[in-house]
Amino acid sequence: GAVVSQHPSRVICKSGTSVKIECRSLDFQATTMFWYRQFPKKSLMLMATSNEGSKATYEQGVEKDKFLINHASLTLSTLTVTSAHPEDSSFYICSARDRVNEKLFFGSGTQLSVL
Amino acid sequence: QQQVKQSPQSLIVQKGGISIINCAYENTAFDYFPWYQQFPGKGPALLIAIRPDVSEKKEGRFTISFNKSAKQFSLHIMDSQPGDSATYFCAASIRGWGGKLIFGQGTELSVKP
Repeated sequence: GAVVSQHPSRVICKSGTSVKIECRSLDFQATTMFWYRQFPKKSLMLMATSNEGSKATYEQGVEKDKFLINHASLTLSTLTVTSAHPEDSSFYICSARDRVNEKLFFGSGTQLSVL
Repeated sequence: QQQVKQSPQSLIVQKGGISIINCAYENTAFDYFPWYQQFPGKGPALLIAIRPDVSEKKEGRFTISFNKSAKQFSLHIMDSQPGDSATYFCAASIRGWGGKLIFGQGTELSVKP
């Protein structure tokens, strides 16, 4: 089946540093990728939609300057949490939409802990 | 209007029993209703999905029942097994959204041996 690789799976960083999370579609091309945030025992909250070659569309309340999204190719989108603070600690999950069959596949998530 | 309401929040079922999770929505433009299974520390995995032109879809032990007039849909897990213990999310989408999903609040299922 289709695989979405998300890296790293876990990251611990100091407050004020920036962290980059990668989301790759390994065996399909994805014109659209989505980034979600999930708190413990809570649902997935959509942060932004990224389309290859264009600017991401952010959901209401999500700071675009804090959560930088780049979708430079049909197989890679990145989320950079800039100047991370403890309140940014969360589980971040990406999903990618197969451009051929339009199916949606999720990555395995990245647990970010900001000290 | 964009919300999908899911219940119960948690569910305990004996091995071999039937697990039932319900979802309700308001936006009649939704035309795709998937269910996802998520294990701790992992991303969600698609279990089964339905479109509103059918009232039921079955795949193995998993069945979606869809009631368009009531704007409700449910997941039934037959012969529940301890390995089914996970968090289940319903979701809804509109074809024109290009894959954007609105998730329910999640149900933590525990199947006791």
